[in-house]
Amino acid sequence: AQSVTQLGSHVSVSEGALVLLRCNYSSSVPPYLFWYVQYPNQGLQLLLKYTSAATLVKGINGFEAEFKKSETSFHLTKPSAHMSDAAEYFCAAIYSGAGSYQLTFGKGTKLSVIP
Amino acid sequence: DVKVTQSSRYLVKRTGEKVFLECVQDMDHENMFWYRQDPGLGLRLIYFSYDVKMKEKGDIPEGYSVSREKKERFSLILESASTNQTSMYLCASSLQGAHNQPQHFGDGTRLSIL
Repeated sequence: AQSVTQLGSHVSVSEGALVLLRCNYSSSVPPYLFWYVQYPNQGLQLLLKYTSAATLVKGINGFEAEFKKSETSFHLTKPSAHMSDAAEYFCAAIYSGAGSYQLTFGKGTKLSVIP
Repeated sequence: DVKVTQSSRYLVKRTGEKVFLECVQDMDHENMFWYRQDPGLGLRLIYFSYDVKMKEKGDIPEGYSVSREKKERFSLILESASTNQTSMYLCASSLQGAHNQPQHFGDGTRLSIL
């Protein structure tokens, strides 16, 4: 079954440090890829999406993600962490070959930002 | 902006009750989805619908049913609530057409079954 893997269920960074959240997909045919953020007691908000137009995708709140086909990866980065970035982040994919619009989610990575 | 509205943010019900969770979207999206979210398990798809009166089982449909009588509304029904259905429930919607359309989520309903 096609899957999305997020390495690290918890990541802690210092305020001002680089944020790197890892995501790998499982298909040889690249899916459509998304990153979502979830703040406590809220729904998921779209950060960015990859749709094959460009390998480096810029999103909201200073986040960006780079698609690397050779590594089947779509890691999320932010140069300088802010306290307000503390949240849970989900990588997700639509494997369109299945003819569906269903999202396959990773298990999520909870980001803590240390002052 | 797309707005997906879930009728309740918090809900407390008793074991054996029939529970209705409502979701409405305002952007004429064809696709609608219900998920439950549990710590350590991530988001799991319960049911989805690609059209009015159409429904498909997701990964964990047992104990749930859905209704889609109008395009904008997708209801999740717990036929006889049990304590293991205590969870956060998230509704989402998306456009059909290109498969790169993101899903838009509501704020969730935190349901407790006592």
